[in-house]
Amino acid sequence: DSGVTQTPKHLITATGQRVTLRCSPRSGDLSVYWYQQSLDQGLQFLIQYYNGEERAKGNILERFSAQQFPDLHSELNLSSLELGDSALYFCASSVDSNRNSPLHFGNGTRLTVT
Amino acid sequence: QQQVKQSPQSLIVQKGGISIINCAYENTAFDYFPWYQQFPGKGPALLIAIRPDVSEKKEGRFTISFNKSAKQFSLHIMDSQPGDSATYFCAASYDAGNMLTFGGGTRLMVKP
Repeated sequence: DSGVTQTPKHLITATGQRVTLRCSPRSGDLSVYWYQQSLDQGLQFLIQYYNGEERAKGNILERFSAQQFPDLHSELNLSSLELGDSALYFCASSVDSNRNSPLHFGNGTRLTVT
Repeated sequence: QQQVKQSPQSLIVQKGGISIINCAYENTAFDYFPWYQQFPGKGPALLIAIRPDVSEKKEGRFTISFNKSAKQFSLHIMDSQPGDSATYFCAASYDAGNMLTFGGGTRLMVKP
């Protein structure tokens, strides 16, 4: 168990809808990362937060947004959903934001857009 | 743009054999190369990592070999066991950040 909690585990929704994925990092970890895993794109970095502030952005669509709250949990909001957004969304956390801190991944949220 | 290319996509090895997975990268700014192991229904878990100032790192049955001039690195799993059956991802990052660029993954099956 990595200590990173993601909810819900599964989410089924229709095109055009909006969903929120939630992540609780490991106790003591200040940095949260979101990754998307799909069959055609593989594992792709979306966005990183450190202690409440956005630290880095990757291949995140404008329809997607995220935030990290004062209690350090994070939410990834996906709107105007399309069929191609169906994927596994992973949250990871680390103690700080540099590469000396290993990333610990949660077990993901599987999003299915119908 | 796939900056880290991983091969093979799938690999079948007999128990006790050596599993070898290769990765090649394009961005010479990469300076941190971890390997992750992922079991079905689970998130990736860090297995072993290397920096370009060393050519090899060993942890138990897992060894990373790194060739900076060729921009390649590989994972060797010695004495492969059925419990090693999983998907393995190489990754790379640069600067002081932890934004990993992942390879496409290798699905390893170790037959008893």
